[in-house]
Amino acid sequence: AQSVSQHNHHVILSEAASLELGCNYSYGGTVNLFWYVQYPGQHLQLLLKYFSGDPLVKGIKGFEAEFIKSKFSFNLRKPSVQWSDTAEYVCAVTRFGDKIIFGKGTRLHILP
Amino acid sequence: DAGVIQSPRHEVTEMGQEVTLRCKPISGHNSLFWYRQTMMRGLELLIYFNNNVPIDDSGMPEDRFSAKMPNASFSTLKIQPSEPRDSAVYFCASRTGWGRGNDEQYFGPGTRLTVT
Repeated sequence: AQSVSQHNHHVILSEAASLELGCNYSYGGTVNLFWYVQYPGQHLQLLLKYFSGDPLVKGIKGFEAEFIKSKFSFNLRKPSVQWSDTAEYVCAVTRFGDKIIFGKGTRLHILP
Repeated sequence: DAGVIQSPRHEVTEMGQEVTLRCKPISGHNSLFWYRQTMMRGLELLIYFNNNVPIDDSGMPEDRFSAKMPNASFSTLKIQPSEPRDSAVYFCASRTGWGRGNDEQYFGPGTRLTVT
């Protein structure tokens, strides 16, 4: 069955540290990939998405993600995190005409 | 646009009571999704509609759950009777269609349901 794996369930970092959150998916073929962010008490918001072109995608707030097709991965990165990045980050994948599959999320906690 | 609207934002009810959650998708969006979010399972798709027609309800946990979409601007998720294990945040999301690059879903603020 199609699935999305996020290997880190809970990550704790200090401000200014670099961040990389892993995401692997099991779909074959052409896919659309997303990272959503959920700040405490808020709903899911789109951080960035990939559907074609440059595999390095830039999102809001300094986040970026790289699609590596051979590894079925779409890892999220940020060179220097801030306290305000404390949130849950959810990776998602879909194929054209199919429903979106979400990962279980990674809870990121940034220490001031 | 006001985005996806959900009501109520919070619901506390007793076991056995009927609960109805409401969603208004973004105008012009053709697809609507109901999700349940818990700490243990993350975000689970319950059901989704395309052009008001239910496409996949395989995520609905059991017969106590039902969803309707009588028109393009309104959907309900009903739990009857409710049980404590139904406590979760229920999100509604909508999207424009199925095209490449158009798969982004827009989420509502969610309804936090507590069943005591």
